[in-house]
Amino acid sequence: RKEVEQDPGPFNVPEGATVAFNCTYSNSASQSFFWYRQDCRKEPKLLMSVYSSGNEDGRFTAQLNRASQYISLLIRDSKLSDSATYLCVVNTGFQKLVFGTGTRLLVSP
Amino acid sequence: SAVISQKPSRDICQRGTSLTIQCQVDSQVTMMFWYRQQPGQSLTLIATANQGSEATYESGFVIDKFPISRPNLTFSTLTVSNLSPEDSSIYLCSVPGGGGNSPLHFGNGTRLTVT
Repeated sequence: RKEVEQDPGPFNVPEGATVAFNCTYSNSASQSFFWYRQDCRKEPKLLMSVYSSGNEDGRFTAQLNRASQYISLLIRDSKLSDSATYLCVVNTGFQKLVFGTGTRLLVSP
Repeated sequence: SAVISQKPSRDICQRGTSLTIQCQVDSQVTMMFWYRQQPGQSLTLIATANQGSEATYESGFVIDKFPISRPNLTFSTLTVSNLSPEDSSIYLCSVPGGGGNSPLHFGNGTRLTVT
């Protein structure tokens, strides 16, 4: 079983749609969680951290379920510029980050 | 967050040669990390570059193939030795944002193609 698993997609959605990505992780001792965004041929960039209580940043909402070892990202009112690959990332300790393979999102007009 | 400068941004190398990638950070950081992203894959940690001591390598990566230098707290190099086409990847250096469980910030990456 992979340490971090994501549906690779692609998710094809129209502008304005709401889309949700899920991620599961295997290491129950994992300490912190993040969503990164990676555009084609670019480095990954931090989108948001994920907190146990859930957190929101504008159109983006992240949630963590430690009992189920599950992380989600919700994007509301999708924009064309949201098209990218979204990486689920888990810190298993000592700054060791494990990356999922990413979920590709394509937002169309 | 720290500004990370990585170079070269891309290179095309012949098999059997080596490529050294440089990573410069605008502030002192204790830990620097080197990742590899193979085509269509996610990021895999190669090693942690420690200042004043040998790098710590992850399973599947060895010093002979990926020698790392860390002469000070703002600079590191990764060399990919004896190149083969399988080494064609993006190589990224990264530093922590701050704090024990902080996210990482990445340099712009080096796209290596081995012919």
